[in-house]
Amino acid sequence: DAKTTQPNSMESNEEEPVHLPCNHSTISGTDYIHWYRQLPSQGPEYVIHGLTSNVNNRMASLAIAEDRKSSTLILHRATLRDAAVYYCILRLDRGSTLGRLYFGRGTQLTVWP
Amino acid sequence: DVKVTQSSRYLVKRTGEKVFLECVQDMDHENMFWYRQDPGLGLRLIYFSYDVKMKEKGDIPEGYSVSREKKERFSLILESASTNQTSMYLCASLQGVVDTEAFFGQGTRLTVV
Repeated sequence: DAKTTQPNSMESNEEEPVHLPCNHSTISGTDYIHWYRQLPSQGPEYVIHGLTSNVNNRMASLAIAEDRKSSTLILHRATLRDAAVYYCILRLDRGSTLGRLYFGRGTQLTVWP
Repeated sequence: DVKVTQSSRYLVKRTGEKVFLECVQDMDHENMFWYRQDPGLGLRLIYFSYDVKMKEKGDIPEGYSVSREKKERFSLILESASTNQTSMYLCASLQGVVDTEAFFGQGTRLTVV
């Protein structure tokens, strides 16, 4: 199974940048890297995804290592509303696993005022 | 703006009951998924479906079955509920291609007593 490894928890102060790391050493060439976050008492919500190049959207940036074995989700200015569990996920593009999302245990981000 | 709807937020059932969890999506997605989420274990895939009447076992299918008679609806069935099936259940849907995002429902917290 494709797996991702993330720190269990991280902390940040409000207004500061946050870098959430993820290792995915078993990634294959066509597997996409997805990030989702889960706010308390809600289902996960999409944050960002990428394949090889770095990606930016209104929520965050995704930096992907050149060998693709790791990636970093960057929240440029953390707010209290960003406190959540962040999941780094591989979405596989192979055979019977096509389209599956492999969730790890995620990183609990705490943001201090 | 609701995209994935789960029929109940909270459910209490008795041991041995047959339980149906319903999920409906309005985005015409091919793929639908059922996960369960337990503290410290993250999201674990129970079953997924990539087309009407098609299903694949996930990582923990024992004690569960699914039904997908229409594209927009994916049902999770607990044939004989047990206390170890007390959990948060999450439904998700996404397009068949890998370069798209998944949408999750709000979750159903099932308690089996």
